[in-house]
Amino acid sequence: EAGVAQSPRYKIIEKRQSVAFWCNPISGHATLYWYQQILGQGPKLLIQFQNNGVVDDSQLPKDRFSAERLKGVDSTLKIQPAKLEDSAVYLCASSLGSTAGWTQYFGPGTRLLVL
Amino acid sequence: GQQLNQSPQSMFIQEGEDVSMNCTSSSIFNTWLWYKQEPGEGPVLLIALYKAGELTSNGRLTAQFGITRKDSFLNISASIPSDVGIYFCAGQLNFGNEKLTFGTGTRLTIIP
Repeated sequence: EAGVAQSPRYKIIEKRQSVAFWCNPISGHATLYWYQQILGQGPKLLIQFQNNGVVDDSQLPKDRFSAERLKGVDSTLKIQPAKLEDSAVYLCASSLGSTAGWTQYFGPGTRLLVL
Repeated sequence: GQQLNQSPQSMFIQEGEDVSMNCTSSSIFNTWLWYKQEPGEGPVLLIALYKAGELTSNGRLTAQFGITRKDSFLNISASIPSDVGIYFCAGQLNFGNEKLTFGTGTRLTIIP
């Protein structure tokens, strides 16, 4: 079974530029999560989708971050404009999201460096 | 927001030694999980705990869900080189389709 796919794996941009990350969850997984992991810290949830609806985006900085999951499968996370403090690893995770399985499986992440 | 504090922050041990690490919270969680993260990868689930007082093993790993529901412990017996990585605890308020609140991590290094 293929795991969670993310691209790009690395991205370097200058502050005030925009950037987008893509995630393809495990096939059949209804729930998709985006986490931000700053160096030396644990991941922090940014947004959670159930199918194509938002379940929790309370920690998403909505003035600059946006995310969508239009067809309930792939998802994109965008930052516009980027700030220096956005440098982090952005992890995508997915789960079946039902009594059949709650385990969250993580992708390898996208490493963002903002200069 | 809620924070999970892990200790120690880092450990340097010799192969074959046992390892103990813990995680404490300022508030109650009803599900505790332990993840391992290797360089360039996302976290991988090691053990999940669903009941206060529960003790669960997965091979050489043993984890316990504290009675107060505010802490958890992870032990690794007879460490081997592939145990190197960062270990994170994570809590969920309820079992199921909820976000994970992660700890600060314990970095394990094995000295040859």
